[in-house]
Amino acid sequence: AQSVTQLGSHVSVSEGALVLLRCNYSSSVPPYLFWYVQYPNQGLQLLLKYTSAATLVKGINGFEAEFKKSETSFHLTKPSAHMSDAAEYFCAVSDRGNYGQNFVFGPGTRLSVLP
Amino acid sequence: DTEVTQTPKHLVMGMTNKKSLKCEQHMGHRAMYWYKQKAKKPPELMFVYSYEKLSINESVPSRFSPECPNSSLLNLHLHALQPEDSALYLCASSQVGQAVGGYTFGSGTRLTVV
Repeated sequence: AQSVTQLGSHVSVSEGALVLLRCNYSSSVPPYLFWYVQYPNQGLQLLLKYTSAATLVKGINGFEAEFKKSETSFHLTKPSAHMSDAAEYFCAVSDRGNYGQNFVFGPGTRLSVLP
Repeated sequence: DTEVTQTPKHLVMGMTNKKSLKCEQHMGHRAMYWYKQKAKKPPELMFVYSYEKLSINESVPSRFSPECPNSSLLNLHLHALQPEDSALYLCASSQVGQAVGGYTFGSGTRLTVV
C-alpha cells in the first residue's frame, strides 16, 4: 500500500523568500508523484508531476520538485514566494498503471506568505 | 478543452430534500471520480467510474447515488443527507488505467445540509 507524508501542516514564509514544502512517500513499486495546489473554495490544480523522466520536474507558477529515490522524497520548491502562492498544497502518489484507490493524497500543507 | 465543470458551485439543502450534483468533461477521459473534502483535509475518494461503469464504491452510504449517463457526464444524486455530509464535493477525470497524466479536478460544489 502506498502512503504520503507531508512534514508541516502549516508553513509560513516571507514574500520573496524560498518556499520548501516537504513530501515523503512509501510505495512498493516505482511511483508516479504529483503536487496539487488548492486555493480557498476551489478545486485542485495540478502543479507538476513526476513520471520517471527527469528527476527534476518544473511546473507552473515557478514551482519545481526533485524526485530522490534514495530519500523517498519529492519536495516542492520555489525560489521566491509571492503573495498569490498562499494556498493548500497536496502531494499525491499513484502506482503505475492504476488509479482510483491507488491514488493517495498526503494530508496537505497550508502555505502562508507574509508581506 | 482541458476543464472539468461542476454545477452548482454552491448548494444548500434540507435533510428531506433530493438534489443532484453535475460534472462534465470533454477531454476524452474515460475514468471519472467523485471525492468528498472536509475543511483542512485531503480529498476522500467516494466513487470511480471506468467506461461509464461503477468500478469502485468506497463504502459510501446509500443516500449518495452516483450515475454516469455517458462518457462526458457524471452525476451525484443526494437524498436524505445529514448535516455531517456538508463538505466540498469534487469531481475529477483521468485516462483509464494510466495514472501518468494525473487527475483533472473540477472547482467543486460546496454543499451545506441544514
